[in-house]
Amino acid sequence: DVKVTQSSRYLVKRTGEKVFLECVQDMDHENMFWYRQDPGLGLRLIYFSYDVKMKEKGDIPEGYSVSREKKERFSLILESASTNQTSMYLCASSPGKVYTDTQYFGPGTRLTVL
Amino acid sequence: AQKITQTQPGMFVQEKEAVTLDCTYDTSDPSYGLFWYKQPSSGEMIFLIYQGSYDQQNATEGRYSLNFQKARKSANLVISASQLGDSAMYFCAMREAITGGGNKLTFGTGTQLKVEL
Repeated sequence: DVKVTQSSRYLVKRTGEKVFLECVQDMDHENMFWYRQDPGLGLRLIYFSYDVKMKEKGDIPEGYSVSREKKERFSLILESASTNQTSMYLCASSPGKVYTDTQYFGPGTRLTVL
Repeated sequence: AQKITQTQPGMFVQEKEAVTLDCTYDTSDPSYGLFWYKQPSSGEMIFLIYQGSYDQQNATEGRYSLNFQKARKSANLVISASQLGDSAMYFCAMREAITGGGNKLTFGTGTQLKVEL
């Protein structure tokens, strides 16, 4: 089974802190994704990566950056956390072979910024 | 730009009944695909079913089936014989090809389904 893990289920940070959310997949997938989920808005894509060190902006990249130094690990970075970044963050991975690829999701990190 | 619309924020269904969750989409790409995911209260997204725009038949997967009407741009999820464990948030999503292979997804806002005894 594909396993996508995220470093924390719950995280509480203060405004202005630098925050790292980590995601690891164990299926040698090429593509990895970061979404945020807010009530009434569904899931929105922040960034994705289709190869090591390669990244592309999604629909809402402002205030975020990412890092992919190894194939299995994709990090989301909040350079200076703000209260409007309080949300559920979901990581996903997919094989990256065909356009019908299914994305596999991690359990999510619920981040609260005070 | 692609757009996915789910107009039912919440739905109720009685156990053992069938339920239809609506999804309409908009795209200018002649080749596209639609996914449905389930998100229980635990938070993890679970893939349910996929329908490609060129697929000749509507997709089915166990108790899940897709009522795909291309002319109406709709891809409604039908759950037959509802069970209490089907209570969850359901998301419709459309794929878009990305550099290097694979796809990225645009999600709808979701429908919260509650199955009652």
